[in-house]
Amino acid sequence: KAGVTQTPRYLIKTRGQQVTLSCSPISGHRSVSWYQQTPGQGLQFLFEYFSETQRNKGNFPGRFSGRQFSNSRSEMNVSTLELGDSALYLCASSPGQAWDGYTFGSGTRLTVV
Amino acid sequence: GIQVEQSPPDLILQEGANSTLRCNFSDSVNNLQWFHQNPWGQLINLFYIPSGTKQNGRLSATTVATERYSLLYISSSQTTDSGVYFCAVSAGYQKVTFGTGTKLQVIP
Repeated sequence: KAGVTQTPRYLIKTRGQQVTLSCSPISGHRSVSWYQQTPGQGLQFLFEYFSETQRNKGNFPGRFSGRQFSNSRSEMNVSTLELGDSALYLCASSPGQAWDGYTFGSGTRLTVV
Repeated sequence: GIQVEQSPPDLILQEGANSTLRCNFSDSVNNLQWFHQNPWGQLINLFYIPSGTKQNGRLSATTVATERYSLLYISSSQTTDSGVYFCAVSAGYQKVTFGTGTKLQVIP
């Protein structure tokens, strides 16, 4: 079966711009979580969506937002990009209530210049 | 929130050697997983192990939930085992917290 698909794989943006990243979960998975990975901060939780509702949120500024559609696909948006937003953004999907089957996509590498 | 510490932070092994990676967490959890991130950035789920012991080939893991730690054993290491190993935990439906990882390098 198809894995978790993230698009685009690479992205270069300019400071002040906004960006939208997409994540398509494994078919049947209803939970999608987003993470930011940087060399200095490691893997940090951004937010989790389950059945189109945000279930958990990490400690990121309001410039970071997300949503989930009825088909479980999710998008995250970062507005007014800063140099420090350069990172690997990973999404993970799971069947729902529990963690079994937690599967990551290959990530989107965002570079802000 | 829950704090997760992993040790050692870095590890260099000769091919064929065995190793033990440790994950300590600060509070009760009911979800714990081990992941391997390969040099290309892909995170692979190794074990879902909130308690007990599991084995998969050369890898095995043990979680002692009452003492708040988990161990990942790698036997007969191979160069393909290189990468970063993460432990991640959560309690109930709370957010997932990742440890800082153990960077493993296996040299031929």
